[in-house]
Amino acid sequence: AQTVTQSQPEMSVQEAETVTLSCTYDTSENNYYLFWYKQPPSRQMILVIRQEAYKQQNATENRFSVNFQKAAKSFSLKISDSQLGDTAMYFCALGSGAGNNRKLIWGLGTSLAVNP
Amino acid sequence: DTEVTQTPKHLVMGMTNKKSLKCEQHMGHRAMYWYKQKAKKPPELMFVYSYEKLSINESVPSRFSPECPNSSLLNLHLHALQPEDSALYLCASSQDGLAASISYNEQFFGPGTRLTVL
Repeated sequence: AQTVTQSQPEMSVQEAETVTLSCTYDTSENNYYLFWYKQPPSRQMILVIRQEAYKQQNATENRFSVNFQKAAKSFSLKISDSQLGDTAMYFCALGSGAGNNRKLIWGLGTSLAVNP
Repeated sequence: DTEVTQTPKHLVMGMTNKKSLKCEQHMGHRAMYWYKQKAKKPPELMFVYSYEKLSINESVPSRFSPECPNSSLLNLHLHALQPEDSALYLCASSQDGLAASISYNEQFFGPGTRLTVL
């Protein structure tokens, strides 16, 4: 079975500091995709980072970077220089399977509060 | 235009009402999705349309009826809903529409319709 686990339901960080959100997953597929989506309060869900499993290099997007450990099936998100606008629910998701068996499996989310 | 729009933003309906939710995108995306999201939970996939054809129905009750009139529009018709159907309904789209499957490209989400069933 394919699973995504986010072990931190809630986190908080001071503005300008760095925070890391954890995500572990399980799949038997060799090729798959991993995503971090951000959902600010009362605002749209947006993609933060997308990683293809066959790419060794960790994806980065400005202040957001991932630590992708394929053997450990870990996909953590690091937010540097946290800003108040980073306050949001963060969902990790796994895209796995081929053909009619493609699935997007979501973690339960981490609620991040950035404090001034 | 990288926006997915949804109307209405809020909807309150009784269990005997019929209403519709509307979603629109003008990015040329060929896959469109309906999700249901409860508070502080991840979105749950309901339906996927690929090239304007229904490709995935995640065993959704028939009181929810999707419709894709054209490549830019997606509707969700609601009838005889239950209070437990109260949730945020999200529409999303992605670039490629596979014949019967889910895209692993970025999904662009709308702001959602907050539905309350009394």
